[in-house]
Amino acid sequence: ETGVTQSPTHLIKTRGQQVTLRCSSQSGHNTVSWYQQALGQGPQFIFQYYREEENGRGNFPPRFSGLQFPNYSSELNVNALELDDSALYLCASSFPGQGGTEAFFGQGTRLTVV
Amino acid sequence: QKEVEQDPGPLSVPEGAIVSLNCTYSNSAFQYFMWYRQYSRKGPELLMYTYSSGNKEDGRFTAQVDKSSKYISLFIRDSQPSDSATYLCAMSGGAGTALIFGKGTTLSVSS
Repeated sequence: ETGVTQSPTHLIKTRGQQVTLRCSSQSGHNTVSWYQQALGQGPQFIFQYYREEENGRGNFPPRFSGLQFPNYSSELNVNALELDDSALYLCASSFPGQGGTEAFFGQGTRLTVV
Repeated sequence: QKEVEQDPGPLSVPEGAIVSLNCTYSNSAFQYFMWYRQYSRKGPELLMYTYSSGNKEDGRFTAQVDKSSKYISLFIRDSQPSDSATYLCAMSGGAGTALIFGKGTTLSVSS
């Protein structure tokens, strides 16, 4: 088990609503990344936070936004939910200053948009 | 052409078989190569991590990277039913860059 925890584990939302997903990174890790994994696909990079600043973003629209807090925990916010946003959302933390390498994942939040 | 290509399988083998999983990639900037194992409805678990070309062994698992061919492999010796999972290859250009994943290969090991 990694020290990365995500909440909630499952969530059902209605199209057009907003959702906030949470992640606590592994102790000592100050880089947090978020990924979206659709069924049968590999995870797709959403964005990354390093020391409370966004320092990388994938091909996702602005309605996907995030925060990182002083304790390195993080939130992913998605506005105006669409049916295609249904997926497993994964948070990964990595060693200080080594974002993108040796990333350790949480168990994910499964979001269903109806 | 996708940056990372991985045969999704499924791959079915008997217990004790040697399994070979592979990925190819197109971006020569990739320096870090990883293999993750993902059980159904769980987050990916880091199995192997390799920097640049070469081999790395950990128990029954061996990872190989051939940067000249842009080809990486994971070998599983003496496969067990508990190895049944989806195996994801991932790679990155280094610190501050995102992991790029393959689609994953689904492996089933029968007893």
